[in-house]
Amino acid sequence: NAGVTQTPKFRVLKTGQSMTLLCAQDMNHEYMYWYRQDPGMGLRLIHYSVGEGTTAKGEVPDGYNVSRLKKQNFLLGLESAAPSQTSVYFCASNQNNRGPGELFFGEGSRLTVL
Amino acid sequence: GEDVEQSLFLSVREGDSSVINCTYTDSSSTYLYWYKQEPGAGLQLLTYIFSNMDMKQDQRLTVLLNKKDKHLSLRIADTQTGDSAIYFCAETYYGNNRLAFGKGNQVVVIP
Repeated sequence: NAGVTQTPKFRVLKTGQSMTLLCAQDMNHEYMYWYRQDPGMGLRLIHYSVGEGTTAKGEVPDGYNVSRLKKQNFLLGLESAAPSQTSVYFCASNQNNRGPGELFFGEGSRLTVL
Repeated sequence: GEDVEQSLFLSVREGDSSVINCTYTDSSSTYLYWYKQEPGAGLQLLTYIFSNMDMKQDQRLTVLLNKKDKHLSLRIADTQTGDSAIYFCAETYYGNNRLAFGKGNQVVVIP
């Protein structure tokens, strides 16, 4: 079992470039999430999905788009990268949000926007 | 809405106990969690407590919940070098998809 896998793990972009981060989970989880982690800010939710074909905005959705075409994959897109999007991005998944459902995290994707 | 506050840094000698504190603002939280993040890794669930409990013990970990003051703490007994990490408290709601995290508390264990 690989759990939650994120690709790429590192990426450097120039301002204005676009890119997509891929998250894949092999646990058949319904819910998937994208967070960003910045020093002194903790984790902030960007977008999330409660099932295949659904997406919803989190706390900081501006500048990002997401898609959940397949249950196991959750893609995070940056259409026109900005230096403020330099961050470490974490994907997470869980089975449902009822009860103490454990959130499983990927290892993170470090993005630098120059 | 959810707002979770944590202090930022704690250093502790190996073998001592360490206590990490967290306050939260929303009293309707059903579960409260502690997650651990080791360097270069994602977060992993350490333990959780149901909101109708005051205390939960799990081996070296003790979680205390004071609902009146909206205060959550994590005590690690006999702290070891492998406990060096960032610890996040988090809260969620029954039926709510959002898990709100605190800013994290970095614990450094000195051998």
